[in-house]
Amino acid sequence: DAGITQSPRYKITETGRQVTLMCHQTWSHSYMFWYRQDLGHGLRLIYYSAAADITDKGEVPDGYVVSRSKTENFPLTLESATRSQTSVYFCASSESPTSAEQYFGPGTRLTVT
Amino acid sequence: QKEVEQNSGPLSVPEGAIASLNCTYSDRGSQSFFWYRQYSGKSPELIMSIYSNGDKEDGRFTAQLNKASQYVSLLIRDSQPSDSATYLCAVRFGNEKLTFGTGTRLTIIP
Repeated sequence: DAGITQSPRYKITETGRQVTLMCHQTWSHSYMFWYRQDLGHGLRLIYYSAAADITDKGEVPDGYVVSRSKTENFPLTLESATRSQTSVYFCASSESPTSAEQYFGPGTRLTVT
Repeated sequence: QKEVEQNSGPLSVPEGAIASLNCTYSDRGSQSFFWYRQYSGKSPELIMSIYSNGDKEDGRFTAQLNKASQYVSLLIRDSQPSDSATYLCAVRFGNEKLTFGTGTRLTIIP
């Protein structure tokens, strides 16, 4: 399938568990991003990656870990989930950081109980 | 801290009227401005980008930028029920990543 996909689409987990959200894109875009979206806060950048093996923190990185061993994949791991990490998570990609078009995945709705 | 502010709404507009959405930003050095549309339960999609002062038109959509006032707006002419969505303003400060506003929820009333 062409485009950008995320899995799972919905996830319920318990406080303290480790959770990994997957993101896969087929465009060979260099840049990939992880956002979380919460009421009253809009979209906030968690981490981004300029290329394989190059990652950097965004606005709200605490409690999250990313890796990028392959250009097409950019998984986001919550090492020990907390209720405050209940949110909708969007992955996005673009050809460059200044590219107008960031293509968003369908999102993962994560609930931490 | 660089900020992008939008009125959260909801903004209700009759079908066929003009919907006006507004956004202000804090950094005078901002260079790139974008409007994304997000339907409920869906991901954001880019609908307009604007880089210089003035108006930019694309079909029923017009983006307006006033850098002196640090203000960017989106006008939707002949509003349709399918325009009902949340509209996100995003600003790029130099070569940095996008900063998003919290979004304005727009409802078009048939």
